[in-house]
Amino acid sequence: QVQLQESGPGLVKPSQTLSLTCTVSGGSISSGGYYWSWIRQHPGKGLEWIGYIYYSGTTYYNPSLESRVTISLDKSKNQFSLRLSSVTAADTAIYYCARDAGDATDVWGQGTTVTVSS
Amino acid sequence: DIQMTQSPSTLSASVGDRVTITCRASHSISNWLAWYQQKPGKAPKFLIYKASSLESGVPSRFSGSGSGTEFTLTINSLQPDDFATYYCQQYKSYPYTFGPGTKLDVK
Repeated sequence: QVQLQESGPGLVKPSQTLSLTCTVSGGSISSGGYYWSWIRQHPGKGLEWIGYIYYSGTTYYNPSLESRVTISLDKSKNQFSLRLSSVTAADTAIYYCARDAGDATDVWGQGTTVTVSS
Repeated sequence: DIQMTQSPSTLSASVGDRVTITCRASHSISNWLAWYQQKPGKAPKFLIYKASSLESGVPSRFSGSGSGTEFTLTINSLQPDDFATYYCQQYKSYPYTFGPGTKLDVK
């Protein structure tokens, strides 16, 4: 079955860019039908949907983060990535990559904790 | 954005109980609602889609209902493994939004 695994630095300095990669195994990111998403969870809080990328390269971002977010695709590596610029302490969270089936987020990565601190 | 609310925020129950969690949307979302279960330190687990359709492998003691702006998640005969936090998420319009969660704990 499809599995997702996040990777990237666990500590980012304020004002810098947070970069995470999600590696997809057990299925092809290019096969279509799914939206490859990023979701975050602030410590002890609820879930915030960040955005998605489709295999065609189409993206949609949460307007609350749109000016700072880029999601990209690397089909050759079966990966998709998140970049969040100009981070502050408010961006400290667990970041999940996930597969969106159009009517639910049906597969989740285990999550990676990112702390923004100098 | 469509705002999602859940009640109660915390629910205390015992093994064998039947419990109901309510999720409300600020605008009609038809049946574009999903439910998730999350345990401490783990990613959310997908339970229900389109308000009432059970994901494969999810125990039948879980059920969902509702449409429009009001939805419920019901767990019949609570099992020890069910104590967790439950979230709803609307899929009607972007940005997709989640409810704040309902923590189900042991009475």
